[in-house]
Amino acid sequence: NAGVTQTPKFQVLKTGQSMTLQCAQDMNHNSMYWYRQDPGMGLRLIYYSASEGTTDKGEVPNGYNVSRLNKREFSLRLESAAPSQTSVYFCASIPAGQITYEQYFGPGTRLTVT
Amino acid sequence: AQKITQTQPGMFVQEKEAVTLDCTYDTSDPSYGLFWYKQPSSGEMIFLIYQGSYDQQNATEGRYSLNFQKARKSANLVISASQLGDSAMYFCAMRENNFNKFYFGSGTKLNVKP
Repeated sequence: NAGVTQTPKFQVLKTGQSMTLQCAQDMNHNSMYWYRQDPGMGLRLIYYSASEGTTDKGEVPNGYNVSRLNKREFSLRLESAAPSQTSVYFCASIPAGQITYEQYFGPGTRLTVT
Repeated sequence: AQKITQTQPGMFVQEKEAVTLDCTYDTSDPSYGLFWYKQPSSGEMIFLIYQGSYDQQNATEGRYSLNFQKARKSANLVISASQLGDSAMYFCAMRENNFNKFYFGSGTKLNVKP
């Protein structure tokens, strides 16, 4: 199993450009998450998807949109990138069921907006 | 109000000594889970240990143990016999049973001195 994969690993955008961050998991997990981590900070939830076909806002959703394409894939779109969106973006997933399940994280996407 | 508070931005510990990383949380949900993750300089998130709100005993995983004090709403991570490889950022996180969201603290950067 590859676990949680993210593409791309690195990206540089100019202000105003758009892009989509891709995330996929092969563990048959129900719930998927997008976080951002700013330098020296913890993870802040952008959006999450409790199950296929549903998405909900997290703490910092402004400037982002998401799509839960199917059970495996959850993408994050920046429509008009801003320098404040420079960050490391992590995707994570968990299986359905017990609260004991920890999140499985992807390797992250390092995004710089100039 | 912050859901998870980690008050130690940085800590030093001598190799082979024990260290405690503090975490306090805020929730009104009677059912919740508490997690600790390690993030080395390479950036990946590594799950360390879990404690459930109804667990009677403190969780342990190898050199990691969780000092869970429910009345004080604290879930401190204890690392015994520190190793140089323990140098990393450590994040405390909480999942409330009623919601499918995780909340992360701002992290503690641990440096292990030889």
